[in-house]
Amino acid sequence: DSGVTQTPKHLITATGQRVTLRCSPRSGDLSVYWYQQSLDQGLQFLIQYYNGEERAKGNILERFSAQQFPDLHSELNLSSLELGDSALYFCASSATGWPPLHFGNGTRLTVT
Amino acid sequence: GIQVEQSPPDLILQEGANSTLRCNFSDSVNNLQWFHQNPWGQLINLFYIPSGTKQNGRLSATTVATERYSLLYISSSQTTDSGVYFCAVLNYGQNFVFGPGTRLSVLP
Repeated sequence: DSGVTQTPKHLITATGQRVTLRCSPRSGDLSVYWYQQSLDQGLQFLIQYYNGEERAKGNILERFSAQQFPDLHSELNLSSLELGDSALYFCASSATGWPPLHFGNGTRLTVT
Repeated sequence: GIQVEQSPPDLILQEGANSTLRCNFSDSVNNLQWFHQNPWGQLINLFYIPSGTKQNGRLSATTVATERYSLLYISSSQTTDSGVYFCAVLNYGQNFVFGPGTRLSVLP
């Protein structure tokens, strides 16, 4: 058990809808990362927060947004969902904002 | 940005065999991790190894940062070792980049 908690584990929704994925980092970790893993794209970095502030941004679509709250948990919001957004979404945390990263078990999103 | 390559892309072993997985990267890095993604999709942290050699049971890893590669050794493989092995690298000012992975199948 990595200590990183992601909810929900599975999510099935329709195109055009909006969903929120939640991540609680390991106790004491200040940084949260979001990754998307789809079949044909591998593991793609989306965004990183450190102590509530955005630190780095990757290939995150404009339809997606994220934030890290004062209690350090993070949410990833996905809107106007498309079939191609179906993927496994991982959250990871680290103590300092640098590796090593510890990953949660992911949220499997299916858009129908 | 940094390019990460892993070889071989696929590997099939008989239980008990040994294997070596390789990760090459295109630029100098300050951080490198190896992960195992099991058949249930969980990403498990194996090693944080920006340089040098580490061992954990049947697994060991070596990173030669000056030559831009890392190796993951699996000895006496077991069926539970099956899955995809990823290396991920980071250089300051860049994002943590994953390689495409090596898919390992260990047959009983």
